[in-house]
Amino acid sequence: GNSVTQMEGPVTLSEEAFLTINCTYTATGYPSLFWYVQYPGEGLQLLLKATKADDKGSNKGFEATYRKETTSFHLEKGSVQVSDSAVYFCALRAGNQGGKLIFGQGTELSVKP
Amino acid sequence: DAGVIQSPRHEVTEMGQEVTLRCKPISGHDYLFWYRQTMMRGLELLIYFNNNVPIDDSGMPEDRFSAKMPNASFSTLKIQPSEPRDSAVYFCASSSIPYRGRSGYEQYFGPGTRLTVT
Repeated sequence: GNSVTQMEGPVTLSEEAFLTINCTYTATGYPSLFWYVQYPGEGLQLLLKATKADDKGSNKGFEATYRKETTSFHLEKGSVQVSDSAVYFCALRAGNQGGKLIFGQGTELSVKP
Repeated sequence: DAGVIQSPRHEVTEMGQEVTLRCKPISGHDYLFWYRQTMMRGLELLIYFNNNVPIDDSGMPEDRFSAKMPNASFSTLKIQPSEPRDSAVYFCASSSIPYRGRSGYEQYFGPGTRLTVT
């Protein structure tokens, strides 16, 4: 079946450090891939997305590249800020799922000054 | 656009009482989703609708939970009777199909309803 696996958290970094949060997926066909972010006390917000292989999604300094050969969609940021502290969710939509998204378990990021 | 609207934002109730959570999706969206989030179980999809019709309710925990979508701009999630283990944050989200060159299917979440059952 379709599934998403994220690296376990929490991830703790110092401000201006480089961030990678790993995400791998299992899906039939050619899924669309998403990263969502959840700040404390809020709902999930779409951070970026990619709809086909080799696409790069980017937003607010975050990037992720759709790698079909490794079934991965790792989230990266060159220099994190304290305000990036949040929970990050990787998700996929497979073509046979209608509007349903499959979410990973979430990875908590804590950035210290 | 106002985004997805949920009410109430917080609900505290006693075990055995009926609880109704409300959601107004983004205008023009075709899909509506209800999720539950807890520390123990993470984010769980309870049910989703397409054009007001329930498509998949396999995530609804038990018969105490029911959801309706009487029209394109309103949905409810009802718990009757409520139990302490229902305490969680409940999110509503909506999305649209691809149109006018947009890829579609990205979900927009409401702020959530924090439910506490004592």
